[in-house]
Amino acid sequence: GQQVMQIPQYQHVQEGEDFTTYCNSSTTLSNIQWYKQRPGGHPVFLIQLVKSGEVKKQKRLTFQFGEAKKNSSLHITATQTTDVGTYFCARSYNTDKLIFGTGTRLQVFP
Amino acid sequence: DTAVSQTPKYLVTQMGNDKSIKCEQNLGHDTMYWYKQDSKKFLKIMFSYNNKELIINETVPNRFSPKSPDKAHLNLHINSLELGDSAVYFCASSQGFAKNIQYFGAGTRLSVL
Repeated sequence: GQQVMQIPQYQHVQEGEDFTTYCNSSTTLSNIQWYKQRPGGHPVFLIQLVKSGEVKKQKRLTFQFGEAKKNSSLHITATQTTDVGTYFCARSYNTDKLIFGTGTRLQVFP
Repeated sequence: DTAVSQTPKYLVTQMGNDKSIKCEQNLGHDTMYWYKQDSKKFLKIMFSYNNKELIINETVPNRFSPKSPDKAHLNLHINSLELGDSAVYFCASSQGFAKNIQYFGAGTRLSVL
């Protein structure tokens, strides 16, 4: 029940196209975090969602938390080459640890 | 000023050797973590310390021994290195519980030959 699945595992897009990654859990989540890891870099926090149905935007990035709090998505509008990297969702478990999703690796072709 | 710094950045060593990775954070956080990221990019928690006390040991072999001399430092010592230990190891910190934002170090790429 701890595992968080992300789909797709990989996504290649042309610059300017949209991109979405989905995070799914079999159990209700208290919150969900999103991180981005550039190639050769380290995970960097993007956002945290707490409320059912919550939607948050950061420029071209839109984050959603499902009504049942079992899934979340990250949508990027009009991708740019700077969006390249691996996007992880992460759920907290028993307050003691963060369980990271399997990640979606995004490649953007100019 | 780097918030979470870990050294070394790269570590290449022979099987059977013992090595250490150091981590320091200057964010004033009370919780620190070690994560392992394998070649498939899966990021898995290994240890968590809160105010120098071990909170989580995620079924890591006892060849791995974390040490926290104070709440700003969490080092990782690995005995008898094996090929399967090759990975990128990330240190991270947060204020309070894991549900709070975690700040990661740049990572240590360990290659065991």
